[in-house]
Amino acid sequence: GAVVSQHPSWVICKSGTSVKIECRSLDFQATTMFWYRQFPKQSLMLMATSNEGSKATYEQGVEKDKFLINHASLTLSTLTVTSAHPEDSSFYICSVRDFRSSYNEQFFGPGTRLTVL
Amino acid sequence: QKEVEQDPGPLSVPEGAIVSLNCTYSNSAFQYFMWYRQYSRKGPELLMYTYSSGNKEDGRFTAQVDKSSKYISLFIRDSQPSDSATYLCAMKRDQGAQKLVFGQGTRLTINP
Repeated sequence: GAVVSQHPSWVICKSGTSVKIECRSLDFQATTMFWYRQFPKQSLMLMATSNEGSKATYEQGVEKDKFLINHASLTLSTLTVTSAHPEDSSFYICSVRDFRSSYNEQFFGPGTRLTVL
Repeated sequence: QKEVEQDPGPLSVPEGAIVSLNCTYSNSAFQYFMWYRQYSRKGPELLMYTYSSGNKEDGRFTAQVDKSSKYISLFIRDSQPSDSATYLCAMKRDQGAQKLVFGQGTRLTINP
């Protein structure tokens, strides 16, 4: 399946600053990528669907002005957490939907751990 | 009520034991069912993918789906310490569906 990388793997920032997380599809041109958030000992919650060349689709309750998503190319999507606060501290994971596979499965990146002080 | 319910555990078993992990769901429209394994501080890794009811086996792993009961299971035979991880079930309505709905995940520890 698709190979997905994320950068950085972890980041610590001060409250009020913005943080950008990159998600790259290394072996597959992905028209669709997904961003998830995972709190400790909890499941993955879909935040938004990132579409190449168009606006992202956000899930209910996710602030689009706070979590800016840019899918500028078929191999790169970025998530920017603007004016981060301690409650934004979480594990952010992206995934790629691989249309080459039998069931169009999603393959996940290794995640980025964000800590906001 | 959550769409997908999964016992968070933790579940601790001795090496070599058979492990049974389960999820129940409420939406009868789900047809595609997945199990992911997630090691600590890593992204989920797809283990099993099944469609509709029935069994699917891959090495030491067997996935079962009972749509009539809205119940899915993952069995791990001859469990190894390297199987220690969090196991997440996930499901979606149809092959083209964008959104996966995940269970909470079960933390599993295999003791040597």
